[in-house]
Amino acid sequence: DAGITQSPRHKVTETGTPVTLRCHQTENHRYMYWYRQDPGHGLRLIHYSYGVKDTDKGEVSDGYSVSRSKTEDFLLTLESATSSQTSVYFCAISAQIYGYTFGSGTRLTVV
Amino acid sequence: AQSVTQLGSHVSVSEGALVLLRCNYSSSVPPYLFWYVQYPNQGLQLLLKYTSAATLVKGINGFEAEFKKSETSFHLTKPSAHMSDAAEYFCAVKEGDDSGSRLTFGEGTQLTVNP
Repeated sequence: DAGITQSPRHKVTETGTPVTLRCHQTENHRYMYWYRQDPGHGLRLIHYSYGVKDTDKGEVSDGYSVSRSKTEDFLLTLESATSSQTSVYFCAISAQIYGYTFGSGTRLTVV
Repeated sequence: AQSVTQLGSHVSVSEGALVLLRCNYSSSVPPYLFWYVQYPNQGLQLLLKYTSAATLVKGINGFEAEFKKSETSFHLTKPSAHMSDAAEYFCAVKEGDDSGSRLTFGEGTQLTVNP
């Protein structure tokens, strides 16, 4: 859908382990975003990127890091997963004034 | 700073009844406003957008929304609900028209349609 894919779709991991989620786009868009979705909170921005190697923090960035070494890939890493990071993670790309296009999401469970 | 408030985390209507989902925004500049829909276990899909042209915006699946600057509102309506409209709906605001402007989302409204 619109050239954006997330992997994996589902993951269960143990507390304290590092986890990396991948977002891949084929649209050549400059801006990419990582959100988490939790009941009662809507979508909250974790990190975003405005170009290769250019990233910045969102409102809920603690415990997360990102990297973007190529235009098409934006990686989200949970450095040491905690139960509070159990969530659904969405990647998005941005086209001018038309809002965002979202990936299908990654459901992460930290046990 | 921009923000969005969706009134009512859950809305329930009967099939064939009017759907009204409320959204109020706060923005320091003329906003761009969006409604997204999320069906179970899926990503978010753009329903409609306001980009400072017509204040009444028509979207997919018979939905429409009206931008009212005086009320800072962008409520979503559909004259007759269908069972397939059951989903979660998110209102979002964006300041500026460049692709780097960030979207801020409301908390979402879960719509239930009863037969």
